[in-house]
Amino acid sequence: SAVISQKPSRDICQRGTSLTIQCQVDSQVTMMFWYRQQPGQSLTLIATANQGSEATYESGFVIDKFPISRPNLTFSTLTVSNMSPEDSSIYLCSVSARFSGERSYEQYFGPGTRLTVT
Amino acid sequence: GQSLEQPSEVTAVEGAIVQINCTYQTSGFYGLSWYQQHDGGAPTFLSYNALDGLEETGRFSSFLSRSDSYGYLLLQELQMKDSASYFCAVPGGGNKLTFGTGTQLKVEL
Repeated sequence: SAVISQKPSRDICQRGTSLTIQCQVDSQVTMMFWYRQQPGQSLTLIATANQGSEATYESGFVIDKFPISRPNLTFSTLTVSNMSPEDSSIYLCSVSARFSGERSYEQYFGPGTRLTVT
Repeated sequence: GQSLEQPSEVTAVEGAIVQINCTYQTSGFYGLSWYQQHDGGAPTFLSYNALDGLEETGRFSSFLSRSDSYGYLLLQELQMKDSASYFCAVPGGGNKLTFGTGTQLKVEL
């Protein structure tokens, strides 16, 4: 199993500022995923971070707001830019763990970054 | 697109059996996963059904009916530590997972 760490674990930020969240995996992985979980809600995929190429963003999420870096096979960052109170959420990174055919049905998740924007 | 609907909240007493349902509408279906998330914690994988029928893992079982676009998670001999949120999820292209709306389970004495 992969061990995933995230920094920071939590932060309180002022609106208009930006925060960069780091995700470190203890093994090399091809894809890393970034999710947002708003208070009391489900997980929503923001983007897939691929090493050596641009991240792939889901509908409703744009690179200018959530720039992602993936400099190597064990590390990724997600920046939440120009924050507003609506960005207050838990941000989680994950990696694929097990597959059925070509589909990943199990992911390992980091502990999350709890962001509050005031 | 994908949509997975779950009841928002279920309450049961310690020692009881509870069923958490998931109905889905997906473009392409490859199986149904279940995750548990305690307050303040990361989601953790519980089970996966690729085929119709019941999969049992200790106190937890998961069921799938592809013809009904429906699955459920069954928790037996409930314990207080089972109080958590439970999510169904479907794998998709690009190794992505789409999660259901989530069910908060409260176990009472």
